[in-house]
Amino acid sequence: SQQGEEDPQALSIQEGENATMNCSYKTSINNLQWYRQNSGRGLVHLILIRSNEREKHSGRLRVTLDTSKKSSSLLITASRAADTASYFCATPHGFYTGGFKTIFGAGTRLFVKA
Amino acid sequence: SQTIHQWPATLVQPVGSPLSLECTVEGTSNPNLYWYRQAAGRGLQLLFYSVGIGQISSEVPQNLSASRPQDRQFILSSKKLLLSDSGFYLCAWSPRYGRGQDSNQPQHFGDGTRLSIL
Repeated sequence: SQQGEEDPQALSIQEGENATMNCSYKTSINNLQWYRQNSGRGLVHLILIRSNEREKHSGRLRVTLDTSKKSSSLLITASRAADTASYFCATPHGFYTGGFKTIFGAGTRLFVKA
Repeated sequence: SQTIHQWPATLVQPVGSPLSLECTVEGTSNPNLYWYRQAAGRGLQLLFYSVGIGQISSEVPQNLSASRPQDRQFILSSKKLLLSDSGFYLCAWSPRYGRGQDSNQPQHFGDGTRLSIL
């Protein structure tokens, strides 16, 4: 199975509400990243949280990391219709010459209704 | 600023035909380069990665191959496409610093190629 697995698979909320997505992983990591993908487009990096950090903020985004539970959450506050997208967590895994490879979860599809 | 270009955006090919997808990066040098495939509604499957010219590592044995003829050019190829090769192909790059720092770098993606095999 994948290193990172998101929950829920899909989420539908009203504009203005908060959206929370969770990610679980299996092995020790040195960081965890969240990405966003609009329909039919490439992924866009949102935020990176290191293993020695518990919480990180970027605008309306809040990411937490609990290394003891091997889990992370992404909170989007005051959601907007433009936040409608798929959100993926990603973790470095294994080694290859010169660096790591990044494993992406299956994603959470967020739909924000106007 | 750095940019990544991937083309074509959409491609429809018959089974058994060859494939060539190209990706180029501008504004940076010596990047790590990646090819991913994404099935509909699913996550990303890493196909190939490269840490330098001519250095390609394959993650999934299949009828696809990759080449890096220049520092910022990454090409995905196939001699004979299968129906199962349909999907959304994404190229990405990340900065290469070495010394274990590469995993702390974000990946930057192109807009992908939607490949349909008939």
